[in-house]
Amino acid sequence: EVQLVESGGGLVQPGGSLRLSCAASGFTFSNYAMTWVRQAPGKGLEWVSVISAGDGSTYYADSVKGRFTISRDNSKTTLYLLMNSLRAEDTAVYYCAKGWNGDYWGQGTLVTVSS
Amino acid sequence: DAVMTQSPLSLPVTLGQPASISCRSSQSLLYSDGNTYLNWFQQRPGQPPRRLIYKVSNRDSGVPDRFSGSGSHTDFTLRISRVEAEDVGVYYCMQGTHWPYTFGQGTKLEIK
Repeated sequence: EVQLVESGGGLVQPGGSLRLSCAASGFTFSNYAMTWVRQAPGKGLEWVSVISAGDGSTYYADSVKGRFTISRDNSKTTLYLLMNSLRAEDTAVYYCAKGWNGDYWGQGTLVTVSS
Repeated sequence: DAVMTQSPLSLPVTLGQPASISCRSSQSLLYSDGNTYLNWFQQRPGQPPRRLIYKVSNRDSGVPDRFSGSGSHTDFTLRISRVEAEDVGVYYCMQGTHWPYTFGQGTKLEIK
């Protein structure tokens, strides 16, 4: 059974940093691209970042480019999202999802950026 | 960016009746590999999104066959043949052809 468990969310001040983790199990992690998607409170979905399998190519939404860094540790079957220079508009539930097109999703972790 | 426009944004449906959601893209979603990466997601209240349909018309494992997807290039439709109470939630189309991937605004399905 595929499981994705996010952690690392919380309250952070504007300009601060946070690192999210997504522990994966139930599939061969190294064979799949992995994705972060976020959802601001009461709003729709926004694709944030993707990291490919193999060469680990990365892609970012313009809204987070230069501030967020996606990475993966295949030995630990874990996906990460390092978020720097956080802004109020980054407040959202952050989901990790399997694959380029999100066939499985975790339950999400809430990030709140506020002073 | 490929802009995804869904309609309607609110969909009241009587139990047992059919429902249909339209999704239009500002760009063709036909990829160079011959596939069209248009997906549909369901988000029940308080739950993460769940993918229902991938590449226009392929149902994910465990998705009831009352859900179906169709369309091509820029115009796509999600149909529910007979709405059940468990179908309440928000439905999103999403394109995975052009980076950045983009979602529609969401269609809220409720029981009339």
